Amino acid sequence: ETGVTQTPRHLVMGMTNKKSLKCEQHLGHNAMYWYKQSAKKPLELMFVYNFKEQTENNSVPSRFSPECPNSSHLFLHLHTLQPEDSALYLCASSPDDRGEYEQYFGPGTRLTVT
Amino acid sequence: DAKTTQPTSMDCAEGRAANLPCNHSTISGNEYVYWYRQIHSQGPQYIIHGLKNNETNEMASLIITEDRKSSTLILPHATLRDTAVYYCIVRGSGGQGAQKLVFGQGTRLTINP
Repeated sequence: ETGVTQTPRHLVMGMTNKKSLKCEQHLGHNAMYWYKQSAKKPLELMFVYNFKEQTENNSVPSRFSPECPNSSHLFLHLHTLQPEDSALYLCASSPDDRGEYEQYFGPGTRLTVT
Repeated sequence: DAKTTQPTSMDCAEGRAANLPCNHSTISGNEYVYWYRQIHSQGPQYIIHGLKNNETNEMASLIITEDRKSSTLILPHATLRDTAVYYCIVRGSGGQGAQKLVFGQGTRLTINP
């Protein structure tokens, strides 16, 4: 238990569906992150938020839309995804985004796009 | 970010010390060495980090060479639950992009009974 929860843990969606992934951290942190881990590839950073403001978008396609309503919650809205978007999506948090602190990861959402 | 080089896989007997090497020959003076691990189908877990001095916590020890071009993560008494992929990451302490954790392929450590 890292203090970072993600729901749902598993999601199957069609290419025309719209779904959202949710992340919540109970650590009092101010920075939150979305990562993508595809099969046999390293984790890739997608987005960074610090104090609810987006500070990094790692050239992510617009079919992935993040939302950070407050420092404890982070969403990833999904629409018109492709089968190659199937992956493990991981959320993480840290006290801030300056790089001095370790990141705490959630268990991930296993997404399958059919 | 400086790059790291790790062996693809390693084996260790249960109860023995597991020593995982990492080369980071292009590390700069303000960059830290971080270690994370990822047990199958779980999120990565922070283990330890250091700048120049050796570090120890309840999970592991980190030995950094004097020239800082390589380091070794030591799990003193490996258990079956330590089977995981271990990532060595070099990371800056401030400025644009410092928050990035750039994960490589890591070392797949298997602890054998």
